[in-house]
Amino acid sequence: EAGVVQSPRYKIIEKKQPVAFWCNPISGHNTLYWYLQNLGQGPELLIRYENEEAVDDSQLPKDRFSAERLKGVDSTLKIQPAELGDSAVYLCASSLDWRDTQYFGPGTRLTVL
Amino acid sequence: GEDVEQSLFLSVREGDSSVINCTYTDSSSTYLYWYKQEPGAGLQLLTYIFSNMDMKQDQRLTVLLNKKDKHLSLRIADTQTGDSAIYFCAERLPGSTLGRLYFGRGTQLTVWP
Repeated sequence: EAGVVQSPRYKIIEKKQPVAFWCNPISGHNTLYWYLQNLGQGPELLIRYENEEAVDDSQLPKDRFSAERLKGVDSTLKIQPAELGDSAVYLCASSLDWRDTQYFGPGTRLTVL
Repeated sequence: GEDVEQSLFLSVREGDSSVINCTYTDSSSTYLYWYKQEPGAGLQLLTYIFSNMDMKQDQRLTVLLNKKDKHLSLRIADTQTGDSAIYFCAERLPGSTLGRLYFGRGTQLTVWP
């Protein structure tokens, strides 16, 4: 069974540019999470989806970050415009539902110059 | 839940046992997890324990839970060089943040041959 797929794996952009990350969860998993992992830190939740509904987005900086999961499967996380402090690893995870174990993708490492 | 604490570094010799410790903050946490992260990779679930358990063993891994002290430990028997990685402790809280995991900063385990 395929795991959580993320792309791209690496992205380098200049500040003020937009960037988007894509996530394909494990088949059949209704819950999808986006986490931010800064260097030397543990992951922190940005947003959680139950199917296509964002049910926990209190940690998402909504002035520049947006996310969508239109058909309740794949998800996209966007930053516009990117700032130097956004350099980090963006992790996607999925689970059968919110009570189930979360499985993580390999992450996208973003570098903002 | 935002102050899950772990020691940052641990070094052991190959063949010895490793013990990674974690202190969590909320006695009502339902599940506690251990994840492993290798360089450039996402988080791999190692094991988890439900809060009504004291111990869980899974091959070389033993998890001990002390609810009174809010202390969680992961013991790796016969540690191998391939176990070198960052190990994250995470707790899941009940209530309005259903499904959200709170991670520690991670413990960098180095195994010397």
